Amino acid sequence: GAVVSQHPSWVICKSGTSVKIECRSLDFQATTMFWYRQFPKQSLMLMATSNEGSKATYEQGVEKDKFLINHASLTLSTLTVTSAHPEDSSFYICSAHKQGDYGYTFGSGTRLTVV
Amino acid sequence: GQNIDQPTEMTATEGAIVQINCTYQTSGFNGLFWYQQHAGEAPTFLSYNVLDGLEEKGRFSSFLSRSKGYSYLLLKELQMKDSASYLCARGGGGNKLTFGTGTQLKVEL
Repeated sequence: GAVVSQHPSWVICKSGTSVKIECRSLDFQATTMFWYRQFPKQSLMLMATSNEGSKATYEQGVEKDKFLINHASLTLSTLTVTSAHPEDSSFYICSAHKQGDYGYTFGSGTRLTVV
Repeated sequence: GQNIDQPTEMTATEGAIVQINCTYQTSGFNGLFWYQQHAGEAPTFLSYNVLDGLEEKGRFSSFLSRSKGYSYLLLKELQMKDSASYLCARGGGGNKLTFGTGTQLKVEL
C-alpha cells in the first residue's frame, strides 16, 4: 500500500531558529501534499496545500513567510518553520494524495518543541 | 466555510455499540472520510463515503446522507482499544481534506 515517510519524528529547537520537516511518498507519486498542524486535544488544522512545481496555497491565518513549503518533486515536500517560537510547538502532519485515487496517506507526524 | 461538527466527547461500555455523528456544509462536497487517531500518532483511515447509504467494514460502519450534510460512524462490539479520537473529514475542491473537531471516545468496562 501507499506509504508516506515523515522526518524527523520529533525535534527540539531553540527560539529563533528554523526547522525543516520532510515528507516523502515512498511508492507512489503524490500530485498534492497537505500540511496540517495539531495542538493537544484538538483536531488537525490544514495549513497549506502543496502541488508539485507550484507555489503552495495557504489557509487563512497561516503565515506563508513563516511556514515555507517546497514541493520540488512528485515524491517530496518540505515544511520549514522559520524563526520558531514556543507557540509554534505542535504536532505537524503531512498527507499525500495520488491523482486518480480517493485516498490520502498520512505521514507519522513530527512533534516540534520550541524552547 | 466548511464547518464540520462532531460531539467533543463520548463514553461507551465495552461490548456496546456507539454512533458518532458528523454534520458538514454540503457545497463543493467530494466525499466523507472517517479516521481514527490515537494520541501522538497519525490518523488511520477507517472509511470513505461518496454516495448515500451505509458502508460496512467489520465492526465499523459509516453512513452518509448528502442532501442532509450528515454522516455517522457506527462502532459495534466495542473494545478497550477503540478508545481514541475519531475524526470526520470532508473532501472538497482541489482534493483538499478538511477535518472536523474530532470526537474523543472513551470505552469503559
